[in-house]
Amino acid sequence: GNSVTQMEGPVTLSEEAFLTINCTYTATGYPSLFWYVQYPGEGLQLLLKATKADDKGSNKGFEATYRKETTSFHLEKGSVQVSDSAVYFCALSQFSSGSARQLTFGSGTQLTVLP
Amino acid sequence: ETGVTQTPRHLVMGMTNKKSLKCEQHLGHNAMYWYKQSAKKPLELMFVYSLEERVENNSVPSRFSPECPNSSHLFLHLHTLQPEDSALYLCASSQEGGRADEQYFGPGTRLTVT
Repeated sequence: GNSVTQMEGPVTLSEEAFLTINCTYTATGYPSLFWYVQYPGEGLQLLLKATKADDKGSNKGFEATYRKETTSFHLEKGSVQVSDSAVYFCALSQFSSGSARQLTFGSGTQLTVLP
Repeated sequence: ETGVTQTPRHLVMGMTNKKSLKCEQHLGHNAMYWYKQSAKKPLELMFVYSLEERVENNSVPSRFSPECPNSSHLFLHLHTLQPEDSALYLCASSQEGGRADEQYFGPGTRLTVT
């Protein structure tokens, strides 16, 4: 079946540091890949996505590139801010039964950015 | 209201109670989902309603019962829950059949079973 493995947390960085959160996946075919972010006390928000190999998703200074050869979708940001402190989830989407797509999530990585 | 809303935001219930969680999506989507988020565990998909079809995770206990009266509303009926059912319950929606396949989440209901 499908699975997503992401970097264990928690991750603590100083403001303006470079961020990488690793994500690798196992899936048949060609899934879509996502990063979601969850701020304290809130639901998940879509951060960025990529739907095919070599696509780069980007949003709010975050980037991730769909690497089919390494089955990876690592999240990066060049200069993190305190407001980026949250839990980050890598996920893949693929059709399951009938017409329903199902998201498979990684376990989440807690990021704390210190001023 | 915009996006996906959930009520109540917090719920405390005893093991013998019956309660319902409500979700409403204002995005014109045609698929809705229930997820369970427990501490230190990956998000668990519980139920999917997509284009009139219900798909469920066979590992979900029967004390959780979903209802989807139309494409905008989704309920999760709870009865005789256990303390291990305490978690954040997230609702999501998406547009199936099109190019976009991302899901949009509500803020969740924090459930505590005493």
